[in-house]
Amino acid sequence: DTGVSQNPRHKITKRGQNVTFRCDPISEHNRLYWYRQTLGQGPEFLTYFQNEAQLEKSRLLSDRFSAERPKGSFSTLEIQRTEQGDSAMYLCASSFDWDRGGYTFGSGTRLTVV
Amino acid sequence: GIQVEQSPPDLILQEGANSTLRCNFSDSVNNLQWFHQNPWGQLINLFYIPSGTKQNGRLSATTVATERYSLLYISSSQTTDSGVYFCAVMNSGGSNYKLTFGKGTLLTVNP
Repeated sequence: DTGVSQNPRHKITKRGQNVTFRCDPISEHNRLYWYRQTLGQGPEFLTYFQNEAQLEKSRLLSDRFSAERPKGSFSTLEIQRTEQGDSAMYLCASSFDWDRGGYTFGSGTRLTVV
Repeated sequence: GIQVEQSPPDLILQEGANSTLRCNFSDSVNNLQWFHQNPWGQLINLFYIPSGTKQNGRLSATTVATERYSLLYISSSQTTDSGVYFCAVMNSGGSNYKLTFGKGTLLTVNP
């Protein structure tokens, strides 16, 4: 068990470009989550996967955001036509079912849109 | 949605001191977790504690779900305890996967 891995750790992009982040969860976990954290705030829920099915997408995610989890393994989060307001830390977490313990978070990907 | 309030927002301690962090929530919960976010941004899960009391070394936590609060105790604090402590809850009347976080308590432990 190597924990939750996220890549890249940092990403600087120009406004209007597309970016993609990857998350590799703990292999035994069936649940995968994406959260976003801005400076001085707690993480906010973005989306949730149960195995390969995306079961909820927050209103925080505009149509420019898309997430996938092919075959219930790793997940990707893509942001198209980035805006300065997208600058944040993007966190991935995985877990067993809700009543079987806590979440394990990755180290996050810090996105800066210039 | 459920509201999560943490207090105090900031706390400065000398090494060796003890502290208590509080988390109040506005509705019934079936999942409550405490996290420590280190200066590099890594969120570390400290406790999964929807009710009762748990201890792990110098840290302990108590959740009184019927009164809608949880406490995190840090004893004999060390400089490495510095960072932001988050409480996160899952509303038992809502989805069974969405954690709602408080704004955190920023702890600074000085040598």
